[in-house]
Amino acid sequence: QKEVEQNSGPLSVPEGAIASLNCTYSDRVSQSFFWYRQYSGKSPELIMSIYSNGDKEDGRFTAQLNKASQYVSLLIRDSQPSDSATYLCAVSMDSSYKLIFGSGTRLLVRP
Amino acid sequence: EAGVAQSPRYKIIEKRQSVAFWCNPISGHATLYWYQQILGQGPKLLIQFQNNGVVDDSQLPKDRFSAERLKGVDSTLKIQPAKLEDSAVYLCASSSRTGARNIQYFGAGTRLSVL
Repeated sequence: QKEVEQNSGPLSVPEGAIASLNCTYSDRVSQSFFWYRQYSGKSPELIMSIYSNGDKEDGRFTAQLNKASQYVSLLIRDSQPSDSATYLCAVSMDSSYKLIFGSGTRLLVRP
Repeated sequence: EAGVAQSPRYKIIEKRQSVAFWCNPISGHATLYWYQQILGQGPKLLIQFQNNGVVDDSQLPKDRFSAERLKGVDSTLKIQPAKLEDSAVYLCASSSRTGARNIQYFGAGTRLSVL
């Protein structure tokens, strides 16, 4: 079983819709969770971090964490064509602090 | 604030040749990471430095890869000899502190093609 799993997509949504990206992880001791955005040919850019159960909102982005279900998600409201990118989920444990990345979900926002 | 600097941006070599990549982290960041990102996959950690000491190199193929961070600032990653499967983007990242809540900032990467 992969440590961090994401659906590779592409996830296609129309402009203005809500895009929902999901990630599951296998290690119950995972403590910190990150969402990075990566445009084609570019480096990953952090967009959200979340450390405790529940929702965390930042502008059009909402991260949701459920540690009991080992599940973290990212919602993008009012999706724009400029949001089209690959979204990487990353998980870290306090004891080792290295990031384990999923393979990413490719999001396509149609004008 | 200047970001993480990497060079070169692109490198094409033949198999069995050697290659080196350079990284200069964000000023003041004590922790430096090297990742390998193969096309279609997420980044995989190769090595992590805290100042000039190695914290984690468990996934570094030590028979061909080496890395150093002299003086705890910039770092060099070397591959010798390269194999076809080393074709990837090599990303350098830095963060200001260790611990699971540290935020890692990535450089633009070096795209390596091994022919």
